[in-house]
Amino acid sequence: DAKTTQPPSMDCAEGRAANLPCNHSTISGNEYVYWYRQIHSQGPQYIIHGLKNNETNEMASLIITEDRKSSTLILPHATLRDTAVYYCIVSHAGGTSYGKLTFGQGTILTVHP
Amino acid sequence: EAQVTQNPRYLITVTGKKLTVTCSQNMNHEYMSWYRQDPGLGLRQIYYSMNVEVTDKGDVPEGYKVSRKEKRNFPLILESPSPNQTSLYFCASSDPGSYGYTFGSGTRLTVV
Repeated sequence: DAKTTQPPSMDCAEGRAANLPCNHSTISGNEYVYWYRQIHSQGPQYIIHGLKNNETNEMASLIITEDRKSSTLILPHATLRDTAVYYCIVSHAGGTSYGKLTFGQGTILTVHP
Repeated sequence: EAQVTQNPRYLITVTGKKLTVTCSQNMNHEYMSWYRQDPGLGLRQIYYSMNVEVTDKGDVPEGYKVSRKEKRNFPLILESPSPNQTSLYFCASSDPGSYGYTFGSGTRLTVV
């Protein structure tokens, strides 16, 4: 699986949009970009995933560049409860390596009042 | 409610005393996996299972065993625990029809 690079930490004001970047320059054609977050020591929580088109759900938006070498997770109106470690993961969605997630160090997002 | 249930949540044990951490999911997922999380090392995959009776090693399988006799259950077995297995453990499940993994709440294991 392709390796990802994320900033170690970011800050955001409550109510503002949080934009979390991720570089995955070695991503291959059949690999998806997944985002998870982990609040304190709880189990990681799935946020969103995409292949090449931008995606949006009730939690966030995912913007993937045309060359697929980077992506941005957008939390449109960050709240204090969004303070967490955010992981960007590149993974196959099928085949013999289906489902394996390789977690990096992630980005610690701190939302301030 | 769709969920992955791990038990126990906390466990303190002594070196060499066999233990099992249970994991059960109610979503009929095919794929299940165990991770451990350690400070500075992040989450690392221990074992995974593609379906009943199909298991394989992840990145850090030494000292662990698993079994998948039923689709819903995927226990993690430590035959002879050692202090370096003190960690936070997570079970997760998924399948092609689901959006991402569902993780359990974690088991914090301390081996003294």
